[in-house]
Amino acid sequence: AQSVTQLDSHVSVSEGTPVLLRCNYSSSYSPSLFWYVQHPNKGLQLLLKYTSAATLVKGINGFEAEFKKSETSFHLTKPSAHMSDAAEYFCVVIKNSGGYQKVTFGTGTKLQVIP
Amino acid sequence: DGGITQSPKYLFRKEGQNVTLSCEQNLNHDAMYWYRQDPGQGLRLIYYSQIVNDFQKGDIAEGYSVSREKKESFPLTVTSAQKNPTAFYLCASSIGGLVGTDTQYFGPGTRLTVL
Repeated sequence: AQSVTQLDSHVSVSEGTPVLLRCNYSSSYSPSLFWYVQHPNKGLQLLLKYTSAATLVKGINGFEAEFKKSETSFHLTKPSAHMSDAAEYFCVVIKNSGGYQKVTFGTGTKLQVIP
Repeated sequence: DGGITQSPKYLFRKEGQNVTLSCEQNLNHDAMYWYRQDPGQGLRLIYYSQIVNDFQKGDIAEGYSVSREKKESFPLTVTSAQKNPTAFYLCASSIGGLVGTDTQYFGPGTRLTVL
């Protein structure tokens, strides 16, 4: 069975401090992993994706994530938070199975950035 | 401009009425998806289509129906059989194909409220 766990439903950081959003996954085979961001009442925008190339993935807006197979984790980080980073973030696992994509979203982490 | 459009942005319907949500893409993508988003639950897959004239049930297909007569269009009908239709509905598309897992691009969403 495939699953995604986002360990924190809410994270609050001060502007200029590091961001860490945690994601653990469970999958029978090596999946592809994604992070998406959603601003209020908007669609989702891709931040970055891991597809079995380099384990450290750099995305847009200064975000990056590291795939750690031994820990089944794909945590999202950013060295310095900006006010515009306040949004909801989703970790996603996708695996091709029998020619069809099995897509599993985490429940999301709301990031609050305090001035 | 290439992208995915969903209309309308806000939709109100009386209980017991069927309603159809529009999703159009001009990205020449083969695959299209419908998700439902509820607070605290992330996104859940309703239906997806890997190619024209073919579609598959997702995790929560009951009370919904779709069609895929054209590559560009993937309308979702919320029927009166759906017990809890009030939600934010997101459409997505991806290049598709049987090899690999590719990025999904999301529309801006439709917020459906059933009165």
